[in-house]
Amino acid sequence: DSGVTQTPKHLITATGQRVTLRCSPRSGDLSVYWYQQSLDQGLQFLIQYYNGEERAKGNILERFSAQQFPDLHSELNLSSLELGDSALYFCASNRGPDSNQPQHFGDGTRLSIL
Amino acid sequence: AQSVAQPEDQVKVAEGNPLTVKCTYSVSGNPYLFWYVQYPNRGLQFLLKYITGDNLVKGSYGFEAEFNKSQTSFHLKKPSALVSDSALYFCAVRGWKDSSYKLIFGSGTRLLVRP
Repeated sequence: DSGVTQTPKHLITATGQRVTLRCSPRSGDLSVYWYQQSLDQGLQFLIQYYNGEERAKGNILERFSAQQFPDLHSELNLSSLELGDSALYFCASNRGPDSNQPQHFGDGTRLSIL
Repeated sequence: AQSVAQPEDQVKVAEGNPLTVKCTYSVSGNPYLFWYVQYPNRGLQFLLKYITGDNLVKGSYGFEAEFNKSQTSFHLKKPSALVSDSALYFCAVRGWKDSSYKLIFGSGTRLLVRP
């Protein structure tokens, strides 16, 4: 058990809809990272928050946004969903602001767009 | 450009035999390198990392990795494979891209250990 909790585990919705994915980091971790895993794109870094502030940005679409709350949990919001957004979305956490330390991954949210 | 290559989509070995999963990288400056493993329907689990020091890094579950600066490689190894090692393995490098550091992952190598 990594200590990182993601909800929901599965999400099925339709094109054009909006969803929110939630992540609770490991106790004591201040950084939260979001990743997208798909068959065609592989594992792609989306965005990192450290102690409530955006720290690094990756291949995150403008339709997607994230935030980290004062209790350090994070939410990834995906809007105007397209078929190609179907993927596994992972959250990871670590203690510091830098990605030079190991990240601890949750078990992901599987998003299916019909 | 910062990148990681895992040239083999799949590696098959017999239980008890040594295994190697290959990884090469391209990054400016000193590399920070990682190996992660992913079991079905689970998130990635950290195996080991190289930041500096000995070129042979020991990690979890009996895995080790050899850093080779001249060949820009960081191959994952295990002396004796177990069936339970069958999983998807990812190599990653910390790279500077788009004004920040981030982990850049390889495409993954599926390891299949035959009984």
